[in-house]
Amino acid sequence: DAGVIQSPRHEVTEMGQEVTLRCKPISGHDYLFWYRQTMMRGLELLIYFNNNVPIDDSGMPEDRFSAKMPNASFSTLKIQPSEPRDSAVYFCASTSPGLPQHFGDGTRLSIL
Amino acid sequence: QQQVKQSPQSLIVQKGGISIINCAYENTAFDYFPWYQQFPGKGPALLIAIRPDVSEKKEGRFTISFNKSAKQFSLHIMDSQPGDSATYFCATTYSSASKIIFGSGTRLSIRP
Repeated sequence: DAGVIQSPRHEVTEMGQEVTLRCKPISGHDYLFWYRQTMMRGLELLIYFNNNVPIDDSGMPEDRFSAKMPNASFSTLKIQPSEPRDSAVYFCASTSPGLPQHFGDGTRLSIL
Repeated sequence: QQQVKQSPQSLIVQKGGISIINCAYENTAFDYFPWYQQFPGKGPALLIAIRPDVSEKKEGRFTISFNKSAKQFSLHIMDSQPGDSATYFCATTYSSASKIIFGSGTRLSIRP
């Protein structure tokens, strides 16, 4: 099992640019979660999907953030326009009922 | 925002000693209490979890103690080893397939 795959692992870009983070969940998992980790705020949930449908997006900080899950094997988190305060490590996790959430290794995002 | 309060923020323990990390939660509706372990550059991984109908769960050197009336739970690592050096997060949730609320994390260092 390849686990949850995130890309890119590192992203450095300038303020105002569009950033797209990608996630491939574990095959067969029907829940997908996007988390953000910072020193100040710790690990916080941004949004999660069930069967490709967004269930709770209350953690999405503002309209600059959007997430999609066009099919069961792929999800994106997009930031447009990006700002320095968006710098963080973004994690994707997947699961099915009765199983623990499996996290990817994250994308370290730096906005200059 | 329901919180999980975790302490200490950092902990140094001698090899072979007992590491103890404490957490307190607010929402009594939560019924799943996992602990996650995170190594640098990696995503969090489930270490051990407990439900509130039991007061203790042990898996190898790792034990969760749960006090429902006090709304507190703790992680004990017996015979701590240098390989246990990592950041540990307590968390609460309704199930693995719902949003996880994480504590602020404890950076554990085991000295050889």
